Amino acid sequence: GDSVTQMEGPVTLSEEAFLTINCTYTATGYPSLFWYVQYPGEGLQLLLKATKADDKGSNKGFEATYRKETTSFHLEKGSVQVSDSAVYFCALRQAGTALIFGKGTTLSVSS
Amino acid sequence: KAGVTQTPRYLIKTRGQQVTLSCSPISGHRSVSWYQQTPGQGLQFLFEYFSETQRNKGNFPGRFSGRQFSNSRSEMNVSTLELGDSALYLCASSLRDLAQGYTFGSGTRLTVV
Repeated sequence: GDSVTQMEGPVTLSEEAFLTINCTYTATGYPSLFWYVQYPGEGLQLLLKATKADDKGSNKGFEATYRKETTSFHLEKGSVQVSDSAVYFCALRQAGTALIFGKGTTLSVSS
Repeated sequence: KAGVTQTPRYLIKTRGQQVTLSCSPISGHRSVSWYQQTPGQGLQFLFEYFSETQRNKGNFPGRFSGRQFSNSRSEMNVSTLELGDSALYLCASSLRDLAQGYTFGSGTRLTVV
């Protein structure tokens, strides 16, 4: 079945460092891809999305490009802030199925 | 517009009891999904409803059930609670459009003692 694999965390960075969180997927067909973020004590918030190959999703300085050839959707940010500390989830959705999540990657940014 | 509302936010129950959680989706969203989140298993899909019909179901025992009403509000019920049912239960609503993501509520934190 469909699945999402994320890099293991935690990821610990200093403020203003470059961030990459790897995400790869296995799916038949052409899924839509998403990144969600969860802050402590809260539900998940949609961070960005891409619906077809080569689409780039972006929001709040975060970017991810839908790479069908490598089945990847890596999350990047050029300069992280302390306020970016959270858990990040990669997810996919296909027609007729529910949203499928990766295990999540915890990001901790120190000043 | 109002987001996804889940009630209650926190709940403590005793093993063997049953519990009902409620979710009100964003106005106009007819699809509601439920997830269980635990530190060990991450986010696991429970079930999805669309227009009062269960459309998808995850791999959970029959003690977990749900329903959706004509106004799209949804409830999930867990009977004969076990300690392992302690988790954050998240509800999400969405449009049927595949390109749209889900909008999540803040969740109900269930503790079984």
